[in-house]
Amino acid sequence: EAQVTQNPRYLITVTGKKLTVTCSQNMNHEYMSWYRQDPGLGLRQIYYSMNVEVTDKGDVPEGYKVSRKEKRNFPLILESPSPNQTSLYFCASSVTGGDWEQYFGPGTRLTVT
Amino acid sequence: QKEVEQDPGPLSVPEGAIVSLNCTYSNSAFQYFMWYRQYSRKGPELLMYTYSSGNKEDGRFTAQVDKSSKYISLFIRDSQPSDSATYLCAMSVRGNNRLAFGKGNQVVVIP
Repeated sequence: EAQVTQNPRYLITVTGKKLTVTCSQNMNHEYMSWYRQDPGLGLRQIYYSMNVEVTDKGDVPEGYKVSRKEKRNFPLILESPSPNQTSLYFCASSVTGGDWEQYFGPGTRLTVT
Repeated sequence: QKEVEQDPGPLSVPEGAIVSLNCTYSNSAFQYFMWYRQYSRKGPELLMYTYSSGNKEDGRFTAQVDKSSKYISLFIRDSQPSDSATYLCAMSVRGNNRLAFGKGNQVVVIP
């Protein structure tokens, strides 16, 4: 089954404790992206990757890091999480960057206390 | 002015009613216009897309794009409780690396 998977689905952590949210897709897509979704603000892009070893900032990159060492994986790293990073995070992939159909993962609900 | 405006106010309608959703945008370079549907506790999924101006129909769903007014719409006919979800508009420029999303409209269809 074609899908984007994220782990963990739910995470509660404390300020400053480094964490990684994993994302993997099995569709051989070149493009992958991370979004956060907040009430009243909608979906905002954090980082995206056009292909292996190619990443770039989205609209709200501060406090986040990403890497793309393999085509299928695109982890999101929060090196020193803060409470304002409490949010619902989605990973997405598509065939290319300009593709209108992005496939979203199920989401990761992160709470930073 | 935000690139994509979508009034996020929740919308409750009785079963069988027509649901009308819309977005406005400021970037005249947008060429692809999409509607994503997001069920509770799920990721968004593509519902419909259109290229440039015009209408597109898919079953009970109709998407309209008016580039001259920078305005897009989604209509749901004969709405069903299973249509209860959040609907997000999205737009992109051909060859660009990102989608610009609206804030989303929560729709509740009451049986």
